Amino acid sequence: SQTIHQWPATLVQPVGSPLSLECTVEGTSNPNLYWYRQAAGRGLQLLFYSVGIGQISSEVPQNLSASRPQDRQFILSSKKLLLSDSGFYLCAWNKRRSNEKLFFGSGTQLSVL
Amino acid sequence: AQTVTQSQPEMSVQEAETVTLSCTYDTSESDYYLFWYKQPPSRQMILVIRQEAYKQQNATENRFSVNFQKAAKSFSLKISDSQLGDAAMYFCAYSGSGGGADGLTFGKGTHLIIQP
Repeated sequence: SQTIHQWPATLVQPVGSPLSLECTVEGTSNPNLYWYRQAAGRGLQLLFYSVGIGQISSEVPQNLSASRPQDRQFILSSKKLLLSDSGFYLCAWNKRRSNEKLFFGSGTQLSVL
Repeated sequence: AQTVTQSQPEMSVQEAETVTLSCTYDTSESDYYLFWYKQPPSRQMILVIRQEAYKQQNATENRFSVNFQKAAKSFSLKISDSQLGDAAMYFCAYSGSGGGADGLTFGKGTHLIIQP
């Protein structure tokens, strides 16, 4: 069966520090991968998606970047965090060539202080 | 661009009663998917129910059912016999079915409170 792992679960970082959140999927090949952000009391905003290794599409211009160094690995990064980067970050996947239902990781609560 | 609107920030229902959560969406596509996701206090996103737009029959999953009105672009979720475990944020979501991979578009959510 397919599983998705996302870590860390909680992160507190000072303004201006770097960020690296990692997500891996097991039990499937060539998944579409996604990073969403959920601000407090808000819906989910799509940040990045990827259909393959090295292929990244950005939905919202911002202080963040994403990379996909391996087929089932998706990384969210920042060189210098801003206060506005605080939020709950969710990694998700679905089947290749499909815009079908998403399967989500357990999320990372990022607090930038 | 597609948009999803949930006009009820919060709903409250007595345990064992029925509640309906509203969702409307805007799209120019004729075929697409609609979803309801549940986010309990653990914040894990859980798929509740899924509807394919070309299917006229409303989807049902145990106590959860939808009222899909394609012409009105409405997709409401009905929860029957509400249970304490149903307390959560509920998100309506849309995706196109054209084989793309640009993910789901979510509404802002409805916070469902179950009164014991």
